[in-house]
Amino acid sequence: GQSLEQPSEVTAVEGAIVQINCTYQTSGFYGLSWYQQHDGGAPTFLSYNALDGLEETGRFSSFLSRSDSYGYLLLQELQMKDSASYFCAVSPTGANNLFFGTGTRLTVIP
Amino acid sequence: GAGVSQTPSNKVTEKGKYVELRCDPISGHTALYWYRQSLGQGPEFLIYFQGTGAADDSGLPNDRFFAVRPEGSVSTLKIQRTERGDSAVYLCASSSGTSGGSDTQYFGPGTRLTVL
Repeated sequence: GQSLEQPSEVTAVEGAIVQINCTYQTSGFYGLSWYQQHDGGAPTFLSYNALDGLEETGRFSSFLSRSDSYGYLLLQELQMKDSASYFCAVSPTGANNLFFGTGTRLTVIP
Repeated sequence: GAGVSQTPSNKVTEKGKYVELRCDPISGHTALYWYRQSLGQGPEFLIYFQGTGAADDSGLPNDRFFAVRPEGSVSTLKIQRTERGDSAVYLCASSSGTSGGSDTQYFGPGTRLTVL
């Protein structure tokens, strides 16, 4: 089976940098994805790591270390609109669905 | 359309009733997924279609849940004899279907189902 653990809540100041961690236990997966979800909204794709290392997409970066069973999402130059829930997710080997983590609620304060 | 659409956005029903939830995927996407999300939790996988066939229905909780995609585009999730525990947001996602487990999935806004 799979389990992905994230901190339940994180608070950060506008303009700052925040890192949201994801530690996982899984028998195998294709890659680690990150999704953003505002209250009442659809999960929106942010980033995907198939290989170890850092992927950068604008203000968002994501990192994966398979040897450490660990990944993170890095948000830079935080804006108020970044207040949302963030989920890491894996695609288990042999499957096409996503298995989601517990989610982290990010609150950006002025 | 530009994105995944779902109807209705909200559905309130009584315990024991039958409901249908509809999903229109992104045009050209052959893969379609249904998930269920309870408050404060991540989405949980229900069923995956590749084309018209249900390629993986391992996430369906019991035989009250059924989904179809007869023409390989629009899908309907059907729930019989609804129970209060079925109350959740039902999310649909689609992807190109070209990269298997590495496909990026694009989600719709969901249908909030409330069973009284």
